[in-house]
Amino acid sequence: KAGVTQTPRYLIKTRGQQVTLSCSPISGHRSVSWYQQTPGQGLQFLFEYFSETQRNKGNFPGRFSGRQFSNSRSEMNVSTLELGDSALYLCASSPGTPNYGYTFGSGTRLTVV
Amino acid sequence: DQQVKQNSPSLSVQEGRISILNCDYTNSMFDYFLWYKKYPAEGPTFLISISSIKDKNEDGRFTVFLNKSAKHLSLHIVPSQPGDSAVYFCAASSGNQFYFGTGTSLTVIP
Repeated sequence: KAGVTQTPRYLIKTRGQQVTLSCSPISGHRSVSWYQQTPGQGLQFLFEYFSETQRNKGNFPGRFSGRQFSNSRSEMNVSTLELGDSALYLCASSPGTPNYGYTFGSGTRLTVV
Repeated sequence: DQQVKQNSPSLSVQEGRISILNCDYTNSMFDYFLWYKKYPAEGPTFLISISSIKDKNEDGRFTVFLNKSAKHLSLHIVPSQPGDSAVYFCAASSGNQFYFGTGTSLTVIP
């Protein structure tokens, strides 16, 4: 069974631009969560979507947004990029609640220059 | 405010010895805990979990211990192998959201 797929794997953007990252969950998984990983900060929770609705949100500015489609695929958008947004962005999917079968993708490495 | 803390950024152990990774949490409502292992350029992979109704869970070389009164979680790896060298994250949940620690980088020396 295919795992969680994130595209693209690497991305370089300049300050002020916007970016969209994509996550395709494991087939049958309806919950998708997004995390930002930076050195020394661990995995910081961005938001979680379930059945096209944002169910939980972390403490990130409004420049970070997301959505989920009817096929459970999810996208994350960051507008007006800042240098500090450079990070590994990970998504994770699970069948329902994140307690069971919580599986991560390989991430998208975003570099803002 | 970091609700899950891993106070040791790094740990080195000899092959064959025990590795002990520690994790502390502040929220007494957390009822499910997990450990993930992460290699560079890969996403974290699930290692082992424990629910708050237990104090120990074993899976092969990996054992997780939970001390609810101390709000402390630990992962024991016995015996440690060079392939265990990775960053280990602990995570805690009280519902639909996981809170992760900052990770401990484990190096197992052959």
